[in-house]
Amino acid sequence: AQSVTQLGSHVSVSEGALVLLRCNYSSSVPPYLFWYVQYPNKGLQLLLKYTSAATLVKGINGFEAEFKKSETSFHLTKPSAHMSDAAEYFCAVKSNDMRFGAGTRLTVKP
Amino acid sequence: NAGVTQTPKFQVLKTGQSMTLQCAQDMNHEYMSWYRQDPGMGLRLIHYSVGAGITDQGEVPNGYNVSRSTTEDFPLRLLSAAPSQTSVYFCASSQTGFTDTQYFGPGTRLTVL
Repeated sequence: AQSVTQLGSHVSVSEGALVLLRCNYSSSVPPYLFWYVQYPNKGLQLLLKYTSAATLVKGINGFEAEFKKSETSFHLTKPSAHMSDAAEYFCAVKSNDMRFGAGTRLTVKP
Repeated sequence: NAGVTQTPKFQVLKTGQSMTLQCAQDMNHEYMSWYRQDPGMGLRLIHYSVGAGITDQGEVPNGYNVSRSTTEDFPLRLLSAAPSQTSVYFCASSQTGFTDTQYFGPGTRLTVL
């Protein structure tokens, strides 16, 4: 069965600093991987997805993620954090059905 | 285009009561899903549908019932609510399946006393 582990339930960065949110997955078949963002009191919105076309995936709002099969990882990065990036971020894997990680809450300090 | 809509936004039930959470989408999507979101657990798939008349169970289906009589609507029924079903419920839709972009509704916050 597939699963997702997000390392760190809460990450805090300063505005302008690098954002790194970690995600590791397990899957018995080649996975589809996703990052979703949830702003307060809203539904989830897709940031980016990996579907085996390219290992480095670019998403919206300057985010990108790299698929590393040898490390079973799909970490999310952004070179320079903005205050508007403060939200909860979910990594998800699809092999049989959809499984989401527990989420990482990103705080951006001025 | 309203996207995915959910009603109600908030609901309080007593143990044993029944209710239906409504979900509708106007994007002509084939796939629709229900998730629950609990603190520290992310989203967990309850039930999903690949088209009108077809439904299947997700990770946590017990205590919930679904049907899909039209492409647009995918209601979630709680037949006998329990405190363990206190959660935020999200409905989502996508064109071709989970590998496609899922569009989420705003959620329903349910409290069972």
